Amino acid sequence: DAKTTQPNSMESNEEEPVHLPCNHSTISGTDYIHWYRQLPSQGPEYVIHGLTSNVNNRMASLAIAEDRKSSTLILHRATLRDAAVYYCILTLPGSGNTGKLIFGQGTTLQVKP
Amino acid sequence: DAGVIQSPRHEVTEMGQEVTLRCKPISGHDYLFWYRQTMMRGLELLIYFNNNVPIDDSGMPEDRFSAKMPNASFSTLKIQPSEPRDSAVYFCASSPSTGSGTQYFGPGTRLTVL
Repeated sequence: DAKTTQPNSMESNEEEPVHLPCNHSTISGTDYIHWYRQLPSQGPEYVIHGLTSNVNNRMASLAIAEDRKSSTLILHRATLRDAAVYYCILTLPGSGNTGKLIFGQGTTLQVKP
Repeated sequence: DAGVIQSPRHEVTEMGQEVTLRCKPISGHDYLFWYRQTMMRGLELLIYFNNNVPIDDSGMPEDRFSAKMPNASFSTLKIQPSEPRDSAVYFCASSPSTGSGTQYFGPGTRLTVL
């Protein structure tokens, strides 16, 4: 199974950009890169996903390395509400159109006022 | 859309009792997933269904755990008999069959077995 590696924790100041890295050196050509986050006492929440090209949505941007062995989730202006655990996940092939999500430990993001 | 609905939100029971957790997926979603989250093991996939049929139950810890999906709008996860080590937050998620497999999670049920 393709695995991801993320730092255990990161800190950011409010209103500043945050770059959350993820390494996935064993990614296969069909794996999507998903990012979810989990706010305190809530269920995981979808943030963004991509395959090969960089992606932007209202929540964040996803920068994918050319060799796809790493990616970076970018929060352009961190707010206190962005304090959460961020998970970088590869969908497993062979599970139909919906990939099984295998959650690692994620990165705990602290945002300082 | 109301999102994924789970009930109850909190459940406290005594060891040996039967516990039933309920989930209503987002209308139109063909996939339904049950996860468990503990401090020690993080988020684990227990079982998932496609079109009401169980596809992979390899994450179900023991025979004490069972899950059913009698129709497209309802699923249950049952623990009988419950044990203190079953204490965890149980999440249900659903996903459409099209797209990249994005899953939408419910708020979870916090289970405490005394």
